[in-house]
Parts: sequence; structure tokens; C-alpha cells
Amino acid sequence: AQTVTQSQPEMSVQEAETVTLSCTYDTSESNYYLFWYKQPPSRQMILVIRQEAYKQQNATENRFSVNFQKAAKSFSLKISDSQLGDTAMYFCAFMKTRGAQKLVFGQGTRLTINP
Amino acid sequence: DTGVSQDPRHKITKRGQNVTFRCDPISEHNRLYWYRQTLGQGPEFLTYFQNEAQLEKSRLLSDRFSAERPKGSFSTLEIQRTEQGDSAMYLCASSPTGQGTAYDEQYFGPGTRLTVT
Repeated sequence: AQTVTQSQPEMSVQEAETVTLSCTYDTSESNYYLFWYKQPPSRQMILVIRQEAYKQQNATENRFSVNFQKAAKSFSLKISDSQLGDTAMYFCAFMKTRGAQKLVFGQGTRLTINP
Repeated sequence: DTGVSQDPRHKITKRGQNVTFRCDPISEHNRLYWYRQTLGQGPEFLTYFQNEAQLEKSRLLSDRFSAERPKGSFSTLEIQRTEQGDSAMYLCASSPTGQGTAYDEQYFGPGTRLTVT
């Protein structure tokens, strides 16, 4: 079975700073997808960024980028120039490429951006 | 199309009562997922439909839980004889069928928050 671990329950930074959220996972699969989802307070979960395991290049989406270390089974999210609207719970998630493609989530990191 | 919708958004019930939640996926999305999220935790997979067929169920889904997706459109999740441990956010997500692609993004609804007193 796959597991996803986020070791930082809470983080807090000042607006415009850069912040990195950590995630490690465990799997015996050779090909899979990794995701970061954002869940703002009282709002629905939205996808921030996705990484395919077979791609060596780290994914980027505007201010969001990942550091994917396949051998170490590590998948961190870097948020540059953080904004107040980035305040949310962030979940790291794993998905196998075959079968039901259900998501396996970590415990989440509560990120607060302070003005 | 305004995305995945769920009804009700909040439900308070007494222990032992039955409750039913509804999820309306994005139209033409063949796959539908139910997840459960307890306070301070990440969502956990409950079950998955491909059209009207329920193809996988988690061990978390005890025999008090049942899900349906008649005609492959909306889905319902029923919990019988609710217990306090059932208190959680129940999330629904939908995705289109892979049409030659290996991955289909899951779009989440706002969730139904259940409180069992």
C-alpha cells in the first residue's frame, strides 16, 4: 500500500517570502503521479501542481514549483512570492497510473501567510 | 457547467439515524469518487464508480455505508445507524474517462460536513 507523509503540521511566513512544504511517500510502483492540492478555509480542494514520476524535470506552475527526488521518494512544494490568498491547507497526494486512480493523501500542512 | 456540487453542505443528525448525501458530478465525467476527511487529516478514499458500476470500495466503507450511482449520473452515499465516529467531511470528486491519456484530473465538490451528536 502507498503512504504519504507530511511532517509539517503548520507553517507561517510573511507575505512575499518563499516557503517550502515537505512531503515523502512510499510505494513499490515505478510509475505514478504526485500532486499538491490546496484547500482554502471553507472552500473546495483545488489542484495546484502535478508531477509524473517518469519525468525528471520538475513541474512548475507560475509561483509554484516542486522538487521531485524519485530515489529519495521526496516531493516538496515551493511557493515563491507568497500571497495572502495562498493561506490554506496543502495536501500532498499520490496516484497510481493504473486501476481506479484513487488519490492517497498526506495529513496536510496548514500554511498561513501573514501581512 | 459550474463544477461538482454536493447536497446538503451541512448535516447534523443524532446517533442511530440514517443520512443520505448527494453528489452531482461535472456532466460527462464518467468517474466519480467519494472520500472522507476527518478534522485535521487528509481525505481518505471510500469508493469509486465508473459510470454506474461501483468498481472499488475501501475497507473503511463498513456495511453501514452504501453508495449508488444510478444511470451513471449523480451519486448518493447513505450511512445507516450513524455513529459519532462517522462525523467528518464527505467529499465527492469526478473525472473524465481517460481517452488515450494516462491521467484524468479529479475535480472536487465543496463537501458535506456531517456531525453526529
